[in-house]
Amino acid sequence: AQSVTQPDIHITVSEGASLELRCNYSYGATPYLFWYVQSPGQGLQLLLKYFSGDTLVQGIKGFEAEFKRSQSSFNLRKPSVHWSDAAEYFCAVGAGYGNKLVFGAGTILRVKS
Amino acid sequence: GAVVSQHPSRVICKSGTSVKIECRSLDFQATTMFWYRQFPKQSLMLMATSNEGSKATYEQGVEKDKFLINHASLTLSTLTVTSAHPEDSSFYICSAINRLGGGNTEAFFGQGTRLTVV
Repeated sequence: AQSVTQPDIHITVSEGASLELRCNYSYGATPYLFWYVQSPGQGLQLLLKYFSGDTLVQGIKGFEAEFKRSQSSFNLRKPSVHWSDAAEYFCAVGAGYGNKLVFGAGTILRVKS
Repeated sequence: GAVVSQHPSRVICKSGTSVKIECRSLDFQATTMFWYRQFPKQSLMLMATSNEGSKATYEQGVEKDKFLINHASLTLSTLTVTSAHPEDSSFYICSAINRLGGGNTEAFFGQGTRLTVV
């Protein structure tokens, strides 16, 4: 069965510092991997996705993620965090782009000035 | 990106009553909608998949008679929680896609509905 693990429930970083949010998945076939961000009272916004090809994918808002098959990981990174990045981040795996998704529990990012 | 609107954003209802949550695609035709439920500090869990004009497909363990899903038009799907109980209190969120034309399409999410049953 598919599953997604986000080991960190909360992460606090200083503004301007680098960020890495961890995501590990379990999936029997080639995974379609996603990162979403959710601000309070808002819907989920797609940050980036991986289907195939280059394992380092670029997303919106300066985020990137690297797919590592050997580690079953898809960690999200940003070189310099801004206060507006404070939100909850979800990693998800699916069978395809428009198919149902299995989500991780989410990581709440706090940014301190 | 496309806009999906969910209403209401928050609702409080009495135990034993029913509550309806609407999910609307405002600027595209949603051939498929997904309904998720999120428990505190847990993942979003898929409840059901609905295709316009068809009966919804429910995930294992989800009571279809309790969580009624209707997707009668290409812009609206509704989730009705019937005979609500406190354990139904949760965050419900929908997503919508347009499968017409084939190929990969992005799922757009509503802002979610916080249901509290008292």
